[in-house]
Amino acid sequence: GAVVSQHPSWVICKSGTSVKIECRSLDFQATTMFWYRQFPKQSLMLMATSNEGSKATYEQGVEKDKFLINHASLTLSTLTVTSAHPEDSSFYICSALRWGSGAVGYEQYFGPGTRLTVT
Amino acid sequence: GEDVEQSLFLSVREGDSSVINCTYTDSSSTYLYWYKQEPGAGLQLLTYIFSNMDMKQDQRLTVLLNKKDKHLSLRIADTQTGDSAIYFCAESFMASNTGKLIFGQGTTLQVKP
Repeated sequence: GAVVSQHPSWVICKSGTSVKIECRSLDFQATTMFWYRQFPKQSLMLMATSNEGSKATYEQGVEKDKFLINHASLTLSTLTVTSAHPEDSSFYICSALRWGSGAVGYEQYFGPGTRLTVT
Repeated sequence: GEDVEQSLFLSVREGDSSVINCTYTDSSSTYLYWYKQEPGAGLQLLTYIFSNMDMKQDQRLTVLLNKKDKHLSLRIADTQTGDSAIYFCAESFMASNTGKLIFGQGTTLQVKP
């Protein structure tokens, strides 16, 4: 099956610093990836759609200058949390769309998540 | 608008059946999914159902869809302790063809030995 990895799996950073999270599709190319944020015991909130070679599409209420997304290759999307603050502490999950599979013509594969703690 | 709701918690005994319920508001959804999330991990696709189907069975899993009431359920037969996790229902929309999923809040399933 298709595999999506995230790095790092967890990170602790100081308030005011920036943190970069990587999402990789290991055995397929993904022109579309998604970034989600999950608070404890809550659902996944879609933050943005990452499109290879073009700007990301952000959901309403998500600050694009704070959460920078770069999808520079067909297998890698990065999320950079700039000037992180404690309220940015969360579990960040990415997913990658694999076209040409699944009943709908595509299937979404999820990474294992990255736990960010800002102190 | 798009809204998916689930009950937050379900507790069952090992060997019993579990039924996790989900309601959605947007009748234009095309596919409905069930995902499983174990602690500290990403999401694992369990099963899905096309919106013109009523039922789908896959080993211990049975999905029922009542499109009139916009109600989806996941039944897990012979529930095991390894089934303890958070279960999310989600819907997608073929018309948009973006791959975007709308998730419910998740139901925490606790299986007691």
